[in-house]
Amino acid sequence: QKEVEQDPGPLSVPEGAIVSLNCTYSNSAFQYFMWYRQYSRKGPELLMYTYSSGNKEDGRFTAQVDKSSKYISLFIRDSQPSDSATYLCASSSYDKIIFGKGTRLHILP
Amino acid sequence: DAGITQSPRHKVTETGTPVTLRCHQTENHRYMYWYRQDPGHGLRLIHYSYGVKDTDKGEVSDGYSVSRSKTEDFLLTLESATSSQTSVYFCAISESGYGNTIYFGEGSWLTVV
Repeated sequence: QKEVEQDPGPLSVPEGAIVSLNCTYSNSAFQYFMWYRQYSRKGPELLMYTYSSGNKEDGRFTAQVDKSSKYISLFIRDSQPSDSATYLCASSSYDKIIFGKGTRLHILP
Repeated sequence: DAGITQSPRHKVTETGTPVTLRCHQTENHRYMYWYRQDPGHGLRLIHYSYGVKDTDKGEVSDGYSVSRSKTEDFLLTLESATSSQTSVYFCAISESGYGNTIYFGEGSWLTVV
């Protein structure tokens, strides 16, 4: 079982919809969880960083971590065409960070 | 944006030639990393550094070496480039290692022909 798993997509949704992106992880030692956005031919850009379980909101983005089920989510409200990108989840402990392979998201105008 | 500059941004080289990629940071972060990103594999750690002259291997270190003589610079060298090393390479920095936020550079696209 891979330590962090993420559906590669692509996921296509109409503009204005709520987007839900998800990852699962297997290592109970992971305590830090991140979401990165990566545009084509660009480096990953940190979107959200959370510690342990719970929700964190930043504008249209909400990150959610459920450590009991080892499930990580990113919600995007009022999605825009500019949100079209690949989204990478990442989980880390004190000694390593594991990235998901990314979900390609297309927001249709 | 995190102050990370990678050079060169694009390079085409021949099999068997040495190649050096440079990462320069202006954040004075202690940790620096080199990743490669390939379709189907995602981001894979090549080498990392936890201080000047302190480096360690990642999961795909074969064929690569690194050096860090100054806090701000981290060099990745392909001693003898092979076609399997055609990839995009990302430098990343972190203030205090795993468990802290990691910021990525814009990438260096390398093609080995």
